[in-house]
Amino acid sequence: DAGVTQSPTHLIKTRGQQVTLRCSPKSGHDTVSWYQQALGQGPQFIFQYYEEEERQRGNFPDRFSGHQFPNYSSELNVNALLLGDSALYLCASSLDRGQPQHFGDGTRLSIL
Amino acid sequence: DAKTTQPPSMDCAEGRAANLPCNHSTISGNEYVYWYRQIHSQGPQYIIHGLKNNETNEMASLIITEDRKSSTLILPHATLRDTAVYYCIVRVGEDSNYQLIWGAGTKLIIKP
Repeated sequence: DAGVTQSPTHLIKTRGQQVTLRCSPKSGHDTVSWYQQALGQGPQFIFQYYEEEERQRGNFPDRFSGHQFPNYSSELNVNALLLGDSALYLCASSLDRGQPQHFGDGTRLSIL
Repeated sequence: DAKTTQPPSMDCAEGRAANLPCNHSTISGNEYVYWYRQIHSQGPQYIIHGLKNNETNEMASLIITEDRKSSTLILPHATLRDTAVYYCIVRVGEDSNYQLIWGAGTKLIIKP
């Protein structure tokens, strides 16, 4: 049973560029959440998708946007990249109704 | 803002019980306490969660004080593979719509 998979594993971009990160949830899960984890810190919640709609959003600017597809997979898009966007981006999936979230191993994004 | 406070680091001898404390003095009555751990270069791994009662599973035990202002995660027989950053987290929101508020975590080092 495949867990949460994220692609790519590593990515290097320059300031001002745009990036798309992808996530396939664990089989049977319908809810996807995205987190940003800076080096040495705990993850920070970006947003959550359920039924192809953004259901909750953390304190992140509109440069961060997302999408969920009918098969429950999800994308995170970041526009106008800043140096401070360098981080590990984590995707977590869960079954609705409060079940624990399962995390992928993340995409390491480096901005030059 | 994080709703939990944890010591930044702890050591434990292999084979002994590791007891990781967490303070969550501002927790509300319907907010769960979750524990995750993150081994270097991997995504966070769910360990256990609870609301009021003590909980036990195959990985660990969770002891929550009666006033719910603090809790302790117990790994009964620590192994070298338990070396990781352990996060005590408050779940904010309802079952169908919640956020995990992460702190900075405790780096647990298991020594031979």
